[in-house]
Amino acid sequence: GAVVSQHPSWVICKSGTSVKIECRSLDFQATTMFWYRQFPKQSLMLMATSNEGSKATYEQGVEKDKFLINHASLTLSTLTVTSAHPEDSSFYICSALGQGTYEQYFGPGTRLTVT
Amino acid sequence: GENVEQHPSTLSVQEGDSAVIKCTYSDSASNYFPWYKQELGKRPQLIIDIRSNVGEKKDQRIAVTLNKTAKHFSLHITETQPEDSAVYFCAANAGTALIFGKGTTLSVSS
Repeated sequence: GAVVSQHPSWVICKSGTSVKIECRSLDFQATTMFWYRQFPKQSLMLMATSNEGSKATYEQGVEKDKFLINHASLTLSTLTVTSAHPEDSSFYICSALGQGTYEQYFGPGTRLTVT
Repeated sequence: GENVEQHPSTLSVQEGDSAVIKCTYSDSASNYFPWYKQELGKRPQLIIDIRSNVGEKKDQRIAVTLNKTAKHFSLHITETQPEDSAVYFCAANAGTALIFGKGTTLSVSS
């Protein structure tokens, strides 16, 4: 149980375009999901906390107008990278908070390359 | 906000030796401390976690200790094997979110 999927697993886009990444909890309802960014050989950096039915809470230094997060249902959160630039190229990982626990279940990640 | 420091950044051991990774945290309100193993290009995998009401937890070759007073927690891997080679991250909760340490690259040579 507690499976989280992400789609797509990798994407290449041109500079200036937008890309949407989906994060789904497959076998449980997740009122809270998280989005992380991980640059090569670095740690996971929390970008934002996504709560179902409300606005996401962004970490300091993360541009909310550039990284649009929507958590419209208890099983789906989306991250849209708008007007992507090469410096946005990274590994984006989502996680979902287990029910009644602190444990987070991670998705497999999405490799974004902006050319 | 919460800050998590992790040491060492790299660790090389011989197969069969023990490995210890240490972390410190800053927020005394944190009460959940997980450890993750991540292989290249893959998602982090939870290997063990500990709550603040427990001082030590063990699962086969892996153990975690927590010193709440000093705000330290450590991962201990005994009888290391080549398949233990990976990047290990500690984390501490800030509310429901997790703040990660910078990671330790563990290399186990046979």
